[in-house]
Order: sequence, then structure tokens, then C-alpha cells
Amino acid sequence: QKEVEQNSGPLSVPEGAIASLNCTYSDRGSQSFFWYRQYSGKSPELIMFIYSNGDKEDGRFTAQLNKASQYVSLLIRDSQPSDSATYLCAAYSGGGADGLTFGKGTHLIIQP
Amino acid sequence: KAGVTQTPRYLIKTRGQQVTLSCSPISGHRSVSWYQQTPGQGLQFLFEYFSETQRNKGNFPGRFSGRQFSNSRSEMNVSTLELGDSALYLCASSFRGEQYFGPGTRLTVT
Repeated sequence: QKEVEQNSGPLSVPEGAIASLNCTYSDRGSQSFFWYRQYSGKSPELIMFIYSNGDKEDGRFTAQLNKASQYVSLLIRDSQPSDSATYLCAAYSGGGADGLTFGKGTHLIIQP
Repeated sequence: KAGVTQTPRYLIKTRGQQVTLSCSPISGHRSVSWYQQTPGQGLQFLFEYFSETQRNKGNFPGRFSGRQFSNSRSEMNVSTLELGDSALYLCASSFRGEQYFGPGTRLTVT
């Protein structure tokens, strides 16, 4: 059974600080990893994906992948109240959509 | 490029009824997946269609079915609705593992 684990939170971070979201996955065959942001009552929105070990930066967001530790993280720099949402981590092991496993998400709150 | 669209956005049904939800993927995307999202279970994979064929199926009862048309539009049907079917139903079109979700259909079963 493939699993993606996330701390459900809530994770509370002051405005302007760095928010750090973490995720672990069980399937060593996972090839790529995705972070989705979901506002309350809305659908998930893809914000980052990463395939290779190391860091990938996109604006205020940095995704980090460590395949040896089966660990993925998302850093949000200069956190804004608009970043308050649930962040879903997903691991993809190939094939069709059933190869994509989602975590249950971390609820992030940015305090003004 | 237009995103994924889903209709209707909200539905209220009673137990025992059936419901059909519709999804139009991003232009050029041939894979459409359906998910059920509830507060307790998170996102759960229902099934995936690719070129009008069901390619994968999650662990849901046969009351949940779907199909895909030649223009890649997809429909999902739930028969004999139960209270536990109340959820947000999300459609996603995908490309190389990247899933792009539609706005969802909020189904309430009373």
C-alpha cells in the first residue's frame, strides 16, 4: 500500500517568515512529486513539482527532494496571509492516475 | 488555454436517487481522472479514462461508474445514492502525472 504522510497541522507561521511543509512517502519507486494548494471550499491547484534530488525554486516557493530519505518538503518564503490554505503532497510512481498517491494535507495558517 | 470545467457545481439529491456529473478536460489532454474528497478520507481516486477507455479504477463500489466521449469529455454516474456519498467530486485532466483539477461538484445527499 503506497502512502504519503503529512502532518495535518494546523501549522501557524507569522507573516513574513518561512513556512516549512514536510511529507514522507513509502514507495521507493516514486518518480516525481507534486505540491498542491487548496483553499477552503476550492479545488487543489498545482503549485510545484520536482523530479530530481535537491532543490527547485519558483518565486517564493522552494521544493526539496531527498529520495534516499523518501522525504519531500515545500518552503514558502516571505509568507503572506493569502498563503493560508491546505497543502497536499503527492507522489507519482508512473502509469496512469492510480500511480498518484496524495497525502491528506497540512493546514497552514499565516498570522498577520 | 481554458482549464478543466465541471458541471454542475452544486447538487442536492436524496438517498436512492442517481446523479450524473460532467467534466471537460484541458484542450489536448486525453486523460481524465475522477476523485472523491471528504474531510475524513482526503482525496480518493475513483477512476481514470484515456481515449474513451477506463484505464484504472480505485476501490469504490460498482455504483460509481463513468465514461469518456471521443472529445475527451467525461461523465461520472453514481446510482442508488447513500448519505456517505456526500462529498466534493473532482475531475482532473493530466499530462505526464501532473493533475490539473476542475472546480469540483459539491454533492449533498439527504
